[in-house]
Amino acid sequence: DGGITQSPKYLFRKEGQNVTLSCEQNLNHDAMYWYRQDPGQGLRLIYYSQIVNDFQKGDIAEGYSVSREKKESFPLTVTSAQKNPTAFYLCASSNPNEKLFFGSGTQLSVL
Amino acid sequence: EDKVVQSPLSLVVHEGDTVTLNCSYEVTNFRSLLWYKQEKKAPTFLFMLTSSGIEKKSGRLSSILDKKELFSILNITATQTGDSAVYLCVAESSARQLTFGSGTQLTVLP
Repeated sequence: DGGITQSPKYLFRKEGQNVTLSCEQNLNHDAMYWYRQDPGQGLRLIYYSQIVNDFQKGDIAEGYSVSREKKESFPLTVTSAQKNPTAFYLCASSNPNEKLFFGSGTQLSVL
Repeated sequence: EDKVVQSPLSLVVHEGDTVTLNCSYEVTNFRSLLWYKQEKKAPTFLFMLTSSGIEKKSGRLSSILDKKELFSILNITATQTGDSAVYLCVAESSARQLTFGSGTQLTVLP
């Protein structure tokens, strides 16, 4: 079955630690996205990539980094510079002018 | 700044009731409006609306867009407990920028 797989489902981060959230898709989509969801708020765009080896900052990129070395994969690293990392993170993918498909998300919490 | 406002923020109904969820938007170079259902955390696609006044239906769900008044509604008739979820409204610009509403939390009681 085609889809988007995010892992882990739950992740805990210690102070000063970098953590990486995985996102893999087998839908052959060109574009991939990372969103952050906080309670009572809409999804906010962190980073997006329209093509392999290229990515752009979204609205709230500070404290995050990404890579797009393969079409299928778009990992998100939450660095120690992100002072408020506790949130639900959603990865999505799409082809141009098509709707987004979402992964099942990763809940990140700070210890 | 682009924005999408959904109302109500939460809604509790009983099975069999009909509900209407509202979404108003202000988006530069608006292209389309999308509705997603978010249950167990993964949003799933419901509708994409690009033309004003044309209702889209899928079973008990329907949606319509008013591009003059800048809003959309999502109707659910004969609600079931399985309809309980957060319903997200998303506005898309011609530059493919997405602006998400904060969602409406729908709870359907048996």
